[in-house]
Amino acid sequence: LAKTTQPISMDSYEGQEVNITCSHNNIATNDYITWYQQFPSQGPRFIIQGYKTKVTNEVASLFIPADRKSSTLSLPRVSLSDTAVYYCLVGDDGADSNYQLIWGAGTKLIIKP
Amino acid sequence: GAGVSQSPSNKVTEKGKDVELRCDPISGHTALYWYRQSLGQGLEFLIYFQGNSAPDKSGLPSDRFSAERTGGSVSTLTIQRTQQEDSAVYLCASSQVLAGPFGGADTQYFGPGTRLTVL
Repeated sequence: LAKTTQPISMDSYEGQEVNITCSHNNIATNDYITWYQQFPSQGPRFIIQGYKTKVTNEVASLFIPADRKSSTLSLPRVSLSDTAVYYCLVGDDGADSNYQLIWGAGTKLIIKP
Repeated sequence: GAGVSQSPSNKVTEKGKDVELRCDPISGHTALYWYRQSLGQGLEFLIYFQGNSAPDKSGLPSDRFSAERTGGSVSTLTIQRTQQEDSAVYLCASSQVLAGPFGGADTQYFGPGTRLTVL
C-alpha cells in the first residue's frame, strides 16, 4: 500500500501564509489528490483537489510537482478559524486488485493571534 | 439540500453487545464510504459501496464488522460482539463518483459521525 506522510503539527500566526506538504509514493496515474479540513467533533470537509501543477480556489492553493509524489496545500493569510486538522487523500492501487483510500495521518494546524 | 446524516450521534454499549450504525447519504450519490476515527487519530478506511456493485470490504478490521447498503441509498454498519477497542467515531461519506482508477475526481461529503463507546 502507498503511504502518505504529513507533518504531525504546525503552528503559525494570523495573517501568515501556511504551507503543508504531503508525500505520497505510488500514486496511481488516474488518481487525484484531495485535501480536507476537519474541526473537532465534525466530519472532514473538502478544501481543494488537483491532479498536477497548480490549482487555486477561493480558500487555498494546491501545488503538485511533475512527479506527483507530493503535494503542498497553501493557505494564504490564515486566521484563528483555520485552526483544524488537515488531511491529504490519494487513491492507491495497492499491491493487489483491491482499491483502497489511503488518508494521511493529518496535520494539526494551530493559528495563534 | 440535506447533507449526509448519521444516527445515532452517540452510542454507549456494553462489551459483547451488537450495535448498528446508520448512514443516510446525499440523494443521488452513488458511492458511500465508512471510516473509523479513533481519538486524535486519522481516518481508517473500512468499506465502500459503489452503486449496486459488490462492496469492497477489504478495510474491515475483523469479521465482526459488516455493512449493508439497501436500495443503493441508506447504509448500516453492524459491529457484532463489540470490544473496547471498537470505541471510536464512525464516519460515513458519500460522493457522486468513486475516486480512483474507475473514475475521475470526486468530493466526499461527510456526516457528523457516530461516537461509539464500548464499556
